[in-house]
Amino acid sequence: GAVVSQHPSRVICKSGTSVKIECRSLDFQATTMFWYRQFPKQSLMLMATSNEGSKATYEQGVEKDKFLINHASLTLSTLTVTSAHPEDSSFYICSAPPPRGAYNEQFFGPGTRLTVL
Amino acid sequence: AQSVTQLGSHVSVSEGALVLLRCNYSSSVPPYLFWYVQYPNQGLQLLLKYTTGATLVKGINGFEAEFKKSETSFHLTKPSAHMSDAAEYFCAVMGAGTSYGKLTFGQGTILTVHP
Repeated sequence: GAVVSQHPSRVICKSGTSVKIECRSLDFQATTMFWYRQFPKQSLMLMATSNEGSKATYEQGVEKDKFLINHASLTLSTLTVTSAHPEDSSFYICSAPPPRGAYNEQFFGPGTRLTVL
Repeated sequence: AQSVTQLGSHVSVSEGALVLLRCNYSSSVPPYLFWYVQYPNQGLQLLLKYTTGATLVKGINGFEAEFKKSETSFHLTKPSAHMSDAAEYFCAVMGAGTSYGKLTFGQGTILTVHP
């Protein structure tokens, strides 16, 4: 099946710094990617939809200025957590549907564990 | 809007016993339903999905689920649990219209398998 990678797998940063997380589709092109956040012992919550060549769309309650999304190519979406604070510590997971818009199946990345000190 | 409720945040079974993880959904349109498994500090792996057609869906690792529209349920079962099945399981429903592709997840169920 299709493969989605994320980098880094883990990151620890100081409060106030910015962190960039990459999501790549390795063997297919993805015009759309989704970013989810998972707090400890909780479920996944959709944060935003990343669209290649256009602005991301954010779910209600997600601060677009804090979570910057850039979908610069058909295989790469980045999520930048700006001025990170301890409450941003979470597991961030991206997903991408396969080509031809078959959204009834999505491929998930392995996730990025962010810890803000 | 859609929602998913997983009954039971923790389920414990003996090795070899039946596994039953419950999922009820709410959706204004015919749903696409999914079960995912997550091992600690890892991403999600698709177990099975229901889109259209046969309501009994078979997935990987011996799991299956049955879509019951009248009960708005999509419970996950496995006849005989293995130790390797211990993980967290998420039921999810996919949005429609402008929300097509977006997944709404249940709260998750942690499955423990003891010898």
